Amino acid sequence: EPEVTQTPSHQVTQMGQEVILRCVPISNHLYFYWYRQILGQKVEFLVSFYNNEISEKSEIFDDQFSVERPDGSNFTLKIRSTKLEDSAMYFCASSVPPSGIYYGYTFGSGTRLTVV
Amino acid sequence: SQQGEEDPQALSIQEGENATMNCSYKTSINNLQWYRQNSGRGLVHLILIRSNEREKHSGRLRVTLDTSKKSSSLLITASRAADTASYFCATDLISNFGNEKLTFGTGTRLTIIP
Repeated sequence: EPEVTQTPSHQVTQMGQEVILRCVPISNHLYFYWYRQILGQKVEFLVSFYNNEISEKSEIFDDQFSVERPDGSNFTLKIRSTKLEDSAMYFCASSVPPSGIYYGYTFGSGTRLTVV
Repeated sequence: SQQGEEDPQALSIQEGENATMNCSYKTSINNLQWYRQNSGRGLVHLILIRSNEREKHSGRLRVTLDTSKKSSSLLITASRAADTASYFCATDLISNFGNEKLTFGTGTRLTIIP
């Protein structure tokens, strides 16, 4: 069964450093997403991406965040200058095959980001 | 209450028993989905029910949707130790762009006692 792959599984970074979280969505899916889950809290929407541009973003997704699909297979989330409160599990997801029928999301296994 | 709240927050049952979790939401939706999350791991899609459906089955899972009450339930029959996990409902709206964000509930922590 197709999977969404995320790397690394765990990243520790110094406050103020830039991090790039990487994802390989399911190859023929059309929509891509990033969500995050702060420990013990709800899963929160960050951004959705379609046709090589952002289709929606949350208020969490400020100027410190950016997404890219640089080569047609990878989908990256960059945090320019990390803060302690960025520590969370970050999930990538994709949805909707070319048939256009929506069956729900396929999530990756997540990257645990720890900012120290 | 917020969009997508599950109850109970925690549920412990004996292996073999049935587990029922409920979800309530506030706004109109196109779809409601249930996801499972094992501790510290990723989200696994279990089942999607569309707003024009009332009940759906998948293996040992049964989901109901009552749009008039803005609520859904997830029933896991004949529970197994491997069902121990957190279960989340998530609602979405379809916009002109296609698929928009999911709004997740707070989750039910299910523990199956062997």
